[in-house]
This record gives sequence, structure tokens and C-alpha cells, in this order.
Amino acid sequence: DAKTTQPTSMDCAEGRAANLPCNHSTISGNEYVYWYRQIHSQGPQYIIHGLKNNETNEMASLIITEDRKSSTLILPHATLRDTAVYYCIVRVPIQGAQKLVFGQGTRLTINP
Amino acid sequence: DSGVTQTPKHLITATGQRVTLRCSPRSGDLSVYWYQQSLDQGLQFLIQYYNGEERAKGNILERFSAQQFPDLHSELNLSSLELGDSALYFCASSLGLSGDTQYFGPGTRLTVL
Repeated sequence: DAKTTQPTSMDCAEGRAANLPCNHSTISGNEYVYWYRQIHSQGPQYIIHGLKNNETNEMASLIITEDRKSSTLILPHATLRDTAVYYCIVRVPIQGAQKLVFGQGTRLTINP
Repeated sequence: DSGVTQTPKHLITATGQRVTLRCSPRSGDLSVYWYQQSLDQGLQFLIQYYNGEERAKGNILERFSAQQFPDLHSELNLSSLELGDSALYFCASSLGLSGDTQYFGPGTRLTVL
């Protein structure tokens, strides 16, 4: 799986948009970008994923650059409950085997 | 709530003992995955089962084993426990064999004393 690089930590004010970057310069054409988050020691929570087009759901937006070497997760109106570790994962869907390779992630702190 | 359930929530045991962790996948999901999260190693993939069969293996120790039953629930068995096995153990499930989003359970916190 392609490696990802994320900032170790970020801060954001409550109510503002939180923009979390991720570099995945060695990504291949069939590799998806997934974002999960983990609040304290709870199970990782799926947020969003995409291949090449920008994606939006009720939780967040995912912006993938045209060359697919980086992406940004956007939480449009951050709340205190969005404080968590955010993981950017590049995953290859291969028949018969699937695993998520988690890096260290970005610890996002939302400040009141 | 992801729909994945895990029991027990907490488990405290002694070195050398054996424990069993249980996972029930989301309704309709055929794949189950086990992950271990320790302080120094982060989240690591252990093993994947699909419809009762083992399909992928990660960094799973020989002292650990898993199985998936006909009703699709899965159990992770940890034996000859060591202090270093203390960790959070997460189960995830997905609809199919590959290419589907994995949804995680709340985890089991194992403490080995």
C-alpha cells in the first residue's frame, strides 16, 4: 500500500472549517484514499473515501488533487466532538485480501 | 454506532492465560477483520475472514488464532498471554471480500498483569 504523510497535530477553532492535508505521492491509479478518525480509544470511525473525484457526505468533504498525490479532508464546521486522531489511508482493493494500513495520523484539537 | 459489536469491553487477566474475544459483524457483512492497537505499535491488521474462511493474514502471532462461525460471528483467541499483549483489539466488518468500506466495533481492552 502507498505510504501517506500527515501532520502530527493541528488545531482549529470551533465553528471554523478544519482542513486536514495528506500526502500520498506514490499512489497508484487503482488506489483509493480513505479517511477514518478515532475519538479517544473508541473504534475507528469511517468518514469518507474517494478515487479521483472530490467527494462529499454528511460528515466531510474530500478534495483530491488532479495528480492524486495529495488530498485534503474538510470538516466544514468543526465542533468540540470532532477532536480526534484522523487517519488518511491509501488502500488497494485486491481480490482475496484487504487490510487497512494505519499510520500515525493527525491529532486534531478543536478549541472553544 | 457502526453496527459491529464486541464483547467483552474490558478483560483483565494474568500472564500465561488464554482469553477469547468475540465479534459480531454488521448485518449482511461477510468479512471480519481483527486489528490490534498498542501504545507503541499503533493500529495493526491481524487477520481477515470471509464467509468462514481465512483470507488474509497480517502481523498475527502464532499464539493467536481466530475463526469465523457459520452465523458469521468471529472469535479471536489469545493464548500464553504476555504483558506485551495488553492492547485494544478491534474487530471490523465489510460487506464483501475486497473493495468495501470497513466498519469498526468499539473494541476490547485487554490488560495482562
